[in-house]
Amino acid sequence: SAVISQKPSRDICQRGTSLTIQCQVDSQVTMMFWYRQQPGQSLTLIATANQGSEATYESGFVIDKFPISRPNLTFSTLTVSNMSPEDSSIYLCSVGGQQYGYTFGSGTRLTVV
Amino acid sequence: QKEVEQNSGPLSVPEGAIASLNCTYSDRGSQSFFWYRQYSGKSPELIMFIYSNGDKEDGRFTAQLNKASQYVSLLIRDSQPSDSATYLCAVTKGSNYQLIWGAGTKLIIKP
Repeated sequence: SAVISQKPSRDICQRGTSLTIQCQVDSQVTMMFWYRQQPGQSLTLIATANQGSEATYESGFVIDKFPISRPNLTFSTLTVSNMSPEDSSIYLCSVGGQQYGYTFGSGTRLTVV
Repeated sequence: QKEVEQNSGPLSVPEGAIASLNCTYSDRGSQSFFWYRQYSGKSPELIMFIYSNGDKEDGRFTAQLNKASQYVSLLIRDSQPSDSATYLCAVTKGSNYQLIWGAGTKLIIKP
């Protein structure tokens, strides 16, 4: 299965600022998924990122707040923009498919103060 | 009704016993079913996946799928304290086969 390097692992940010999270995969993948996991809760899909096209956002998530880049088949970034304390969460990227399952990056723990 | 439902627990099981984790789903069109383990502060890691009705075994783990009843379960034999974690059930949906996640069951294995 693919190995994903995600960074930063954690950050503490001031409200109103932005943070960009990076995920690097050790193999080429068509789709990358970005999730949010709030404390004690399950995973919520933010968006699906395909190389060469606009990301597809889930209900409740918008591009202006969570812009995503997918410049090639091994890399993607998620930016959390104009942050508020409600954005404090763990953000995870994931790759895979239904045939072999999905693997996750190590996560980014974001605290907004 | 949630799309994927799990008992939140905690489920407490003595060491060496069988832990049984259950998950129900609402979409009859779902094709693939996954069990993930998540330790506190860590990202989810895949334990097993299953597509067909019946049982699938991998070491101490057995996944069971019953599409008619729309449930999937995970059995952990000879439970160890290191199995203590939150177990997440996920089900594929849609043309992108995105995963729909249950809320997870917290499992505690008591020595």
